[in-house]
Amino acid sequence: ELKVEQNPLFLSMQEGKNYTIYCNYSTTSDRLYWYRQDPGKSLESLFVLLSNGAVKQEGRLMASLDTKARLSTLHITAAVHDLSATYFCAVDITQGGSEKLVFGKGTKLTVNP
Amino acid sequence: EPEVTQTPSHQVTQMGQEVILRCVPISNHLYFYWYRQILGQKVEFLVSFYNNEISEKSEIFDDQFSVERPDGSNFTLKIRSTKLEDSAMYFCASSDAPEGPLTDTQYFGPGTRLTVL
Repeated sequence: ELKVEQNPLFLSMQEGKNYTIYCNYSTTSDRLYWYRQDPGKSLESLFVLLSNGAVKQEGRLMASLDTKARLSTLHITAAVHDLSATYFCAVDITQGGSEKLVFGKGTKLTVNP
Repeated sequence: EPEVTQTPSHQVTQMGQEVILRCVPISNHLYFYWYRQILGQKVEFLVSFYNNEISEKSEIFDDQFSVERPDGSNFTLKIRSTKLEDSAMYFCASSDAPEGPLTDTQYFGPGTRLTVL
C-alpha cells in the first residue's frame, strides 16, 4: 500500500522567513502534485512534477522532485501572510490507464506578521 | 477559465437516506474522479471513471456507492443508504488524459459538504 508522508504537519512561521515542507512516498512514481487548500475551500493545483530532478517555481514557492529518494520538497521563501493555508502533496498512481492520487495528510501553514 | 462545478454546496440528510451529489467536469476532460475529505483529515480517493465505466475504486467505495454519467456533462455520486460516517466533504475532479504530457493535472471542484444526521 502506498504511503505518503508529509512533515511537518503543522508549521507556524514568521513573515519573511524561509522553510521547507517535505513529502516522502513509499513506492515508485514519476508524478507528484502539490495542492493548496484554504479553509472550507477546494484544492488548488500549485505544481505538477513529472520527472526526476524536476523543479518548478511560482512566486515564493518552489517545488522539487527526487524520484530516486522518493522525496519532494516545497520550499517557501520570504513567507507572507497570504501563504497561510494547508498544503498537500499527492502521488500519482496510474494503473491500467486510470489515474489515482494518494494524498499526504497535509501541512497546515500559518504565517504570522 | 474552465472549472469543475458541484451541486449542492451543502447537503444535510438523515441516516439511511439516499443522496446524489452532482458534478459538471471540465467539458473536454475524459477522466472523472470522486474524492472525500473527512473534516480535518486528508483527501481520500473513492473512484475513477472513464469511458462510461469505473476504472478503479477504493475500499471505501462499497456497494452503497455508485457513479453515473447520465448525459454528456454531469457526473454523479450516489450514496444509497447514508451512514453517520459518510459525513465529509466530497470533491469531484476531472482530467483530460493521465498519460498526456503536462496536461494530466486533476482539477478539483469546490466540493459538497455532506452532513448525515
